[in-house]
Amino acid sequence: AQKITQTQPGMFVQEKEAVTLDCTYDTSDPSYGLFWYKQPSSGEMIFLIYQGSYDQQNATEGRYSLNFQKARKSANLVISASQLGDSAMYFCAMRGISGSARQLTFGSGTQLTVLP
Amino acid sequence: KAGVTQTPRYLIKTRGQQVTLSCSPISGHRSVSWYQQTPGQGLQFLFEYFSETQRNKGNFPGRFSGRQFSNSRSEMNVSTLELGDSALYLCASSWNRDTDTQYFGPGTRLTVL
Repeated sequence: AQKITQTQPGMFVQEKEAVTLDCTYDTSDPSYGLFWYKQPSSGEMIFLIYQGSYDQQNATEGRYSLNFQKARKSANLVISASQLGDSAMYFCAMRGISGSARQLTFGSGTQLTVLP
Repeated sequence: KAGVTQTPRYLIKTRGQQVTLSCSPISGHRSVSWYQQTPGQGLQFLFEYFSETQRNKGNFPGRFSGRQFSNSRSEMNVSTLELGDSALYLCASSWNRDTDTQYFGPGTRLTVL
């Protein structure tokens, strides 16, 4: 079974500063994908960034980067130059390739608040 | 390219009724998955459809069912509604079933009174 752990229920960051949201995972699948989603108060789940388990380099998408450490089974999200619009719930998720692992498994989320 | 659409966006039902939610995936996407989100349980996988066949099912009672049509549109049905079914129901689509990114719709917020 897959498991995602997000240990920070809430985080605060000052506008224009960088913030790291933690995520650790556990899986027996040899190949998997790691995802980060943002969920504003409106409810829609917005895809931010993806990292494949065999990717050699850390993924980056604009102000988002994923700090992937396979041996430690961690996939932390780094948001640079935080903006007020970044205030939202952030979910780490993973998806494997075999059987029930194909479903997206989510962590419990981190509520990020950006302070002006 | 249009995103994932879900209808209706909001729904209020009473216990014992049934409800049908609809999801239209991104054009070309063949896999559709459904998730339930509640404050207490978080995000839980309901089921996945690919090529009109249910490929994967989460740990939910038989009152929860779904289907997928030949154009990849999907519906989910909840019969004999219970208060605990109040939740945000999210639909997501992806190109295939592997580690492809799933893109989510805006969700249907169901309230059961």
